[in-house]
Amino acid sequence: EIVLTQSPGTLSLSPGERATLSCRASQSVSSSSLAWYQQKPGQAPRLLIYGASSRATGIPDRFSGSGSGTDFTLTISRLEPEDFAVYYCQQYGSSPPYTFGQGTKLEIK
Amino acid sequence: QVQLVQSGAEVKKPGASVKVSCKASGYTFTGYYMHWVRQAPGQGLEWMGWINPNSGGTNYAQKFQGRVTMTRDTSISTAYMELSRLRSDDTAVYYCARSSYGGNSILNYWGQGTLVTVSS
Repeated sequence: EIVLTQSPGTLSLSPGERATLSCRASQSVSSSSLAWYQQKPGQAPRLLIYGASSRATGIPDRFSGSGSGTDFTLTISRLEPEDFAVYYCQQYGSSPPYTFGQGTKLEIK
Repeated sequence: QVQLVQSGAEVKKPGASVKVSCKASGYTFTGYYMHWVRQAPGQGLEWMGWINPNSGGTNYAQKFQGRVTMTRDTSISTAYMELSRLRSDDTAVYYCARSSYGGNSILNYWGQGTLVTVSS
């Protein structure tokens, strides 16, 4: 089973700042099969990024993903008030279980 | 538009079973795998497994093998997740989520979640 470790656990930033979230896998994620989700309180997760760097439909271009192998990054270029939420990475490589990271909480400073 | 509408909250006693439904609309139900993901209170997301609505084939996370059963009724475009021998640590919100295409595991549509509380 691939274990995903996200850092930091909590990130405190102000609107307009740049956010960098990390996701590290315990072994290589095949074919960059790595997704990022955003979850707000009381809501279901929302797909942001798949294939490590492809934005899902309707996702603003201030969200970008990068990385390969075991190290992946989600970057939010200029934080908007609605971006403060919890972010999860997920690997969906060749075989299950399709594990999630433990999440990074992005909070307003 | 794609919609996944789940059944309502449940309260169960330890040792009982729960069956959660997920009614799909706005797309061809048999064309996309349906996954189940759960989230314990204040915790992260945990993938439980998927069902291929076309064939009925399933793939469960090892953690839930023997306790979970995923089924579907294509006549009403509904997927089900049944979890048996419930324990207190099964208290969670259970989500169904559709694959973005075919049999992949990119989850781009989610149900609203069903809270299952296990308490004596």
